[in-house]
Amino acid sequence: RKEVEQDPGPFNVPEGATVAFNCTYSNSASQSFFWYRQDCRKEPKLLMSVYSSGNEDGRFTAQLNRASQYISLLIRDSKLSDSATYLCAVNAPRGDNNDMRFGAGTRLTVKP
Amino acid sequence: DADVTQTPRNRITKTGKRIMLECSQTKGHDRMYWYRQDPGLGLRLIYYSFDVKDINKGEISDGYSVSRQAQAKFSLSLESAIPNQTALYFCATSDLGRNYGYTFGSGTRLTVV
Repeated sequence: RKEVEQDPGPFNVPEGATVAFNCTYSNSASQSFFWYRQDCRKEPKLLMSVYSSGNEDGRFTAQLNRASQYISLLIRDSKLSDSATYLCAVNAPRGDNNDMRFGAGTRLTVKP
Repeated sequence: DADVTQTPRNRITKTGKRIMLECSQTKGHDRMYWYRQDPGLGLRLIYYSFDVKDINKGEISDGYSVSRQAQAKFSLSLESAIPNQTALYFCATSDLGRNYGYTFGSGTRLTVV
């Protein structure tokens, strides 16, 4: 089982739709969670951190469910410019090390 | 100028050749990472370094080596390139503190023929 798993999609939605992505993680000791956006052939860029209480940034809402070990990203009122691949990232503590593990990404296409 | 700069942007090399990918950063971050990205597999960690004297293996370090020449520079070497090392390679940096995300370079597209 992969440490971080995402539905690869693709998700094809019309403009204005609400879309949600989930990401599950296997390391119960993980404490840092992030969502990144990656455009085609570009580098991932940090979209938002995910806090225990949930957090919102404009049309984007991120939530964490520790009991079920998943994080989610909700995008409201989708825009054409939201079309991208969304990667979740979770820190992976093991011993003295604490690096980040990424999901394979969920591809979103927003259509007119 | 970009905060994290990778060179070259694209490279085609032959099987068996040695190749070095370079990464430099102006963010002043202590932590630097090398990832490779393959379709369907996402980003996989190759090596990481928390300071100049610290080097750690990631998930897939076989066939790769790294050098942290300075706080701002972290290079990745393929001693003898093979075709399954064809991938998109990203360097990333982060600051101390677990709640800060990574800043990625723009990537190096490597093709081994």
